[in-house]
Amino acid sequence: DAMVIQNPRYQVTQFGKPVTLSCSQTLNHNVMYWYQQKSSQAPKLLFHYYDKDFNNEADTPDNFQSRRPNTSFCFLDIRSPGLGDTAMYLCATIQGRGSSYNEQFFGPGTRLTVL
Amino acid sequence: AQSVTQLGSHVSVSEGALVLLRCNYSSSVPPYLFWYVQYPNQGLQLLLKYTTGATLVKGINGFEAEFKKSETSFHLTKPSAHMSDAAEYFCAVSRYSGGYQKVTFGTGTKLQVIP
Repeated sequence: DAMVIQNPRYQVTQFGKPVTLSCSQTLNHNVMYWYQQKSSQAPKLLFHYYDKDFNNEADTPDNFQSRRPNTSFCFLDIRSPGLGDTAMYLCATIQGRGSSYNEQFFGPGTRLTVL
Repeated sequence: AQSVTQLGSHVSVSEGALVLLRCNYSSSVPPYLFWYVQYPNQGLQLLLKYTTGATLVKGINGFEAEFKKSETSFHLTKPSAHMSDAAEYFCAVSRYSGGYQKVTFGTGTKLQVIP
């Protein structure tokens, strides 16, 4: 089945130790999103890629970076994680950019804990 | 600007009882509205969506929602709750802005189903 895969599902890291989260998709969608979801909160958009075009949300901390080497893969790099970065990180994809009503397909998420 | 308000962060219902999860939206343009469900430690799964046309939308697992423009509401209902419905539900509004689809999520409602 076509799907969105995130690895690892659970990640524990130390304060200040860089960490990379991975997302891959078999849907061949051209748009990929990264969301941060803290406990009991709504998902918050960090950034998205349209093909290779990177779009950062205005309030996304500089500590968060992203790479998309090809259509299938997208990475979230946290350069110096702080305790406040403990959260679930969700990857989502969508086909097309010219429509508001296509649904986003979500991966299962990576739960990151910063100690 | 767009926003979503979900009334009630926690809702408890008895098994077999009616499920009603409330969502009100604010949007400066005709909205596209979604309901997503999230099970523990998983990503979001689309339940249903409203784009245009019929205002009563049927989704998966017996859920439906009615778009009421006059009330700016998109409440989610299910006639008879099942234990497997226990999860967190997110209402979302989407619009095409600045060249991409931007989705704004509500803060979520956790549904508890009591045997």
